[in-house]
Amino acid sequence: DGGITQSPKYLFRKEGQNVTLSCEQNLNHDAMYWYRQDPGQGLRLIYYSQIVNDFQKGDIAEGYSVSREKKESFPLTVTSAQKNPTAFYLCASSLARTVRWNEQYFGPGTRLTVT
Amino acid sequence: KQEVTQIPAALSVPEGENLVLNCSFTDSAIYNLQWFRQDPGKGLTSLLLIQSSQREQTSGRLNASLDKSSGRSTLYIAASQPGDSATYLCAVQTGANNLFFGTGTRLTVIP
Repeated sequence: DGGITQSPKYLFRKEGQNVTLSCEQNLNHDAMYWYRQDPGQGLRLIYYSQIVNDFQKGDIAEGYSVSREKKESFPLTVTSAQKNPTAFYLCASSLARTVRWNEQYFGPGTRLTVT
Repeated sequence: KQEVTQIPAALSVPEGENLVLNCSFTDSAIYNLQWFRQDPGKGLTSLLLIQSSQREQTSGRLNASLDKSSGRSTLYIAASQPGDSATYLCAVQTGANNLFFGTGTRLTVIP
């Protein structure tokens, strides 16, 4: 089955700890994205990567870091510098061959709770 | 900056009814518009993508229209079913990696 997997589904951490969220895709997509979803707000872009070993900051990158060592994988680290890390995190990917047909496909999400 | 609005925030309809969800955006310079479905606690499922040069797209009981000049899109759902209950999100793409999302309309179809 082709798709995007995120693990774990639920994650609990103490304040001050870094935590890494996993995102893997087997769709052979070039581009991958991380979004954050909070109640009453639209999804907001954290980071994106169009090719291996390259990534760019989105609208709310502060307190987050990413890596793209493999085409299939795009892990997100939520650092202790992120002021309000509790949220639902969504990973997406797309072929990104042309902008007009840049349909994004989403994973099932990881709900992070920091106390 | 692009802003995407979806009204109403929530909608309840009896089963079998046809319904329309609305999406508006402030900047008409878009490449495409996507409609997504999100079930509680789940990721997003892409329903339809309309390129900026297109007027509508259809998939089964779903029909999405786009009026780029007026900054509006509608998602028409025919003969609604309880299984259609979910939150519906629209998003517009303004650049290679700029996808702006609305806050969604939560739909409940009552059996």
